[in-house]
Amino acid sequence: AQSVTQPDIHITVSEGASLELRCNYSYGATPYLFWYVQSPGQGLQLLLKYFSGDTLVQGIKGFEAEFKRSQSSFNLRKPSVHWSDAAEYFCAVGASGTGTASKLTFGTGTRLQVTL
Amino acid sequence: GAGVSQSPSNKVTEKGKDVELRCDPISGHTALYWYRQSLGQGLEFLIYFQGNSAPDKSGLPSDRFSAERTGGSVSTLTIQRTQQEDSAVYLCASSTVFHEQYFGPGTRLTVT
Repeated sequence: AQSVTQPDIHITVSEGASLELRCNYSYGATPYLFWYVQSPGQGLQLLLKYFSGDTLVQGIKGFEAEFKRSQSSFNLRKPSVHWSDAAEYFCAVGASGTGTASKLTFGTGTRLQVTL
Repeated sequence: GAGVSQSPSNKVTEKGKDVELRCDPISGHTALYWYRQSLGQGLEFLIYFQGNSAPDKSGLPSDRFSAERTGGSVSTLTIQRTQQEDSAVYLCASSTVFHEQYFGPGTRLTVT
């Protein structure tokens, strides 16, 4: 069964500092990987996705993530955090396959606090 | 274009009552998913529909939960005889076959 671990429950960074949120997954093959962001009282917004190919993927709002098969990781990064980035971030894994949608398994989330 | 919409945005119900939650997916999306988000359990998959295939119901927590999708579009999640542990935010998402799921704003269910 697929699973996702986000080891950091809560992270605080200063505005302008760099950010890295960790995500480790468990899946038998190359998975589909996602990062979502959720602001208070809002739904989930897709930041970026990895399906195949280039292991460094770019997303919206200046975020990027790197897929490392050897470490079963898909860490999210941003060079310079803005106060508006304060939110909860979820890593998710979906089963890979052709032409078949599948459920997502989510990590428990990392809450990001940004100090001014 | 229009995103995934859900109604109602908030629902308060008494224990033992039935509730229906509605989801309108993005037009043209063939797959539709229901998830539940609660403090104790995080984000949990409930059920998903893909085209005309039989739905994957593997995440439904009990037989009090059911869902249908009419005409390949709108979906309704029904919870019968609600319990306090059903209190959560119920999220709907839709996608094409390429797994990129777009989520609605959710329905916050409170069972008193």
